[in-house]
Amino acid sequence: QSVLTQPPSASGTPGQRVTISCSGSSSNIGSNAVHWYQQLPGTAPKLLVYSNNPRPSGVPDRFSGSKSGTSASLAISGLQSEDEADYYCSAWDDNLSGRLFGGGTKLTVL
Amino acid sequence: QVQLVQSGAEVKKPGASVKVSCKASGYTFTNYDINWVRQATGQGLEWMGWMNPNSGKTGYPQRFQGRVTMTRNTSISTAYLELNSLRSDDTAVYYCARSNNGDYVPWGQGTLVTVSS
Repeated sequence: QSVLTQPPSASGTPGQRVTISCSGSSSNIGSNAVHWYQQLPGTAPKLLVYSNNPRPSGVPDRFSGSKSGTSASLAISGLQSEDEADYYCSAWDDNLSGRLFGGGTKLTVL
Repeated sequence: QVQLVQSGAEVKKPGASVKVSCKASGYTFTNYDINWVRQATGQGLEWMGWMNPNSGKTGYPQRFQGRVTMTRNTSISTAYLELNSLRSDDTAVYYCARSNNGDYVPWGQGTLVTVSS
């Protein structure tokens, strides 16, 4: 069981807005930046959002991140079929002196 | 472009060791940490540690200490992950990733390590 808690699954129809949550604690999300990754089937993870909110060049502005206290969220608006993937949050943990990943959320576009 | 290219798939017996390489190109290798992350089939991502290619300094989570070693050869811009005393539950895809302020970009393509008798 991951220290960063994500829902195992999420779904939406094309054009909808979906949100994926990531819950942690004061030693990780509460005091460090959160990054989000997208992993398409059979491929390596790809950085989607870094340091809570900014997007790397090339990532559509349909993807947005936020953080409040010990929780973070990834929102995807205007859902598209190609968004069907696994999504992971990540943060450094000061107590463990290590990088944590959430358990991942499998997004299905209905 | 910035790229990390990993070595090919490996099949090992329990108790053996495996060494995976990660060749960097498109940037100054010694300017960014390299991290390793693994993923068992159908499972999530598991962080295995980091290495500073400039100093060689490393950091490993407690669960891998004593069993994992991260090294580098700066002359060929290549990082290595060595995992010893392999068990069946070490079967996974192993990724290297360049670290920039804690976020990982890019990632290597992954190396499948299968541990089977």
